[in-house]
Amino acid sequence: DGGITQSPKYLFRKEGQNVTLSCEQNLNHDAMYWYRQDPGQGLRLIYYSQIVNDFQKGDIAEGYSVSREKKESFPLTVTSAQKNPTAFYLCASSRKRPPYNEQFFGPGTRLTVL
Amino acid sequence: DAKTTQPNSMESNEEEPVHLPCNHSTISGTDYIHWYRQLPSQGPEYVIHGLTSNVNNRMASLAIAEDRKSSTLILHRATLRDAAVYYCILSRAGGGNKLTFGTGTQLKVEL
Repeated sequence: DGGITQSPKYLFRKEGQNVTLSCEQNLNHDAMYWYRQDPGQGLRLIYYSQIVNDFQKGDIAEGYSVSREKKESFPLTVTSAQKNPTAFYLCASSRKRPPYNEQFFGPGTRLTVL
Repeated sequence: DAKTTQPNSMESNEEEPVHLPCNHSTISGTDYIHWYRQLPSQGPEYVIHGLTSNVNNRMASLAIAEDRKSSTLILHRATLRDAAVYYCILSRAGGGNKLTFGTGTQLKVEL
């Protein structure tokens, strides 16, 4: 079955450590996205990529970094510069066919920084 | 980006229709109206989208006002599995397919 996988489901890290969240898709989608969700809030866009080897900052990119070396993969690194990293992180992908493309979301990774 | 306004919460009884409103008075001519829903501890799920005309799919219907300043998501027969947060989102054609999520409407469905 095609879909998006995120691993792990729960992740714990000590303050000051960088951590990388995995996102893989086998939907052959060109575009991929990372969102952050805090309790009781909507999703906020961190980074997005519309093609391999290219990505753009979203609304809250500070303290995060990404890479897009393969079409299927879009890992997100939460760096020690991110002041409040504890959150629910969601990855999504979509086709790049205009004018609009439904986004498919993964199950999310819940990151807790102690 | 144009903003949307939704009620914080709504309640419905199972098997009854539900009308979820969304106001978007600053919508521009090229903005699409999308609805996603999110069950607890899961990623959002696409529900429906439209531009000017009303739309129907297997999950729901989308009714768009003639002036496009408001829209309504219609669930024809609510079930317990429809209890979720429903997000009404605008995105501009050619805008990189970026979605800006508000806080949405928490739909509670009771027996």
